[in-house]
Amino acid sequence: NAGVMQNPRHLVRRRGQEARLRCSPMKGHSHVYWYRQLPEEGLKFMVYLQKENIIDESGMPKERFSAEFPKEGPSILRIQQVVRGDSAAYFCASSPDRVAYYGYTFGSGTRLTVV
Amino acid sequence: DQQVKQNSPSLSVQEGRISILNCDYTNSMFDYFLWYKKYPAEGPTFLISISSIKDKNEDGRFTVFLNKSAKHLSLHIVPSQPGDSAVYFCAAGGTGTASKLTFGTGTRLQVTL
Repeated sequence: NAGVMQNPRHLVRRRGQEARLRCSPMKGHSHVYWYRQLPEEGLKFMVYLQKENIIDESGMPKERFSAEFPKEGPSILRIQQVVRGDSAAYFCASSPDRVAYYGYTFGSGTRLTVV
Repeated sequence: DQQVKQNSPSLSVQEGRISILNCDYTNSMFDYFLWYKKYPAEGPTFLISISSIKDKNEDGRFTVFLNKSAKHLSLHIVPSQPGDSAVYFCAAGGTGTASKLTFGTGTRLQVTL
């Protein structure tokens, strides 16, 4: 029973390059969330998606960041023209419904380092 | 605007004693609260939650208390074990926020022998 799978675990990008972070939710989960954790901070909500739909992107920076959750395949968080301030741990979570009371299941995260 | 605050960045407790982790919030619209535990290089793991209509919820060694009038919640771990050493995050959510959780900055718990 695989959990939430994120890859890669570590990603190094030079300033100006693109970063693509992938997330495969748990089997049977159709709700996906992306959170970012900057050093010494808590997790900050970025975006909530269901298959083929963005439900809430209120936490996404206005430029350079985008997310998708296609009908087939993993959810992708894409960061274009990365800058040093994008260095962080990016966590994906999934749930079987939209109620977070029972806790989502998080993946192990992708640690992005921009050099 | 930090709506969920964990004012103690770290806590050290002896094995077998009680660990009490605290969390304060400012938004009265939150409907439920959760605690997550996180080990280094891993994702957060859900521990326990409480609805705003309750003042206590218990699951084994973990109990969460909610004081709505004070906008304060706490997680009690009894007895504390070395494997409990981790960072604990308080989080809050509401039916009006489409499953979005607001997290605190975390408290690092160290359980010593």
